[in-house]
Amino acid sequence: DQQVKQNSPSLSVQEGRISILNCDYTNSMFDYFLWYKKYPAEGPTFLISISSIKDKNEDGRFTVFLNKSAKHLSLHIVPSQPGDSAVYFCAALNTGTASKLTFGTGTRLQVTL
Amino acid sequence: NAGVMQNPRHLVRRRGQEARLRCSPMKGHSHVYWYRQLPEEGLKFMVYLQKENIIDESGMPKERFSAEFPKEGPSILRIQQVVRGDSAAYFCASSPSTGLNTEAFFGQGTRLTVV
Repeated sequence: DQQVKQNSPSLSVQEGRISILNCDYTNSMFDYFLWYKKYPAEGPTFLISISSIKDKNEDGRFTVFLNKSAKHLSLHIVPSQPGDSAVYFCAALNTGTASKLTFGTGTRLQVTL
Repeated sequence: NAGVMQNPRHLVRRRGQEARLRCSPMKGHSHVYWYRQLPEEGLKFMVYLQKENIIDESGMPKERFSAEFPKEGPSILRIQQVVRGDSAAYFCASSPSTGLNTEAFFGQGTRLTVV
């Protein structure tokens, strides 16, 4: 039962353009969402998060949007840079009952020159 | 301030042997989480520990797997009688507390290969 889904396994974007990574979830008890970036042979690195009481959170080139009614969130990277090429994982948390993160399967982003 | 340290980075075991994976959390962190990533999949939660206590082991297989986080020393994930299906990357994360504004910091992982 995949409670957090990233339906696009890969995405290719030209340098300078916007990258949009999508994530859907099924568990309505999730109330906190995070994005992690992962390079090969390294651990995931926290990127940005959003609470369910918000619909947008921005940090520099990264913005996360949350649509609770659609159980959908997205990560926007503007402008995309070659160093952004990595696997991006969406993760969700039910802060009321558990501290464990439920991860999606990841989207591999390739930023081309 | 050193990050989360995992060792070894790579571990090769024959079927039936034991694997011990170590995780030293960041300084001041008392919460440790273990996740497993199978090839082409996302990270799957295994176990959540605080010092000397297992808080949630709902993601850990009932047999052959165990975890501990002693008062002194690193957290250990132990896999007995390894099988080929245990081959994966095992990631440890630590956090100072649980809460909305706390993001867990991950180690670089241990890649276990069972031959």
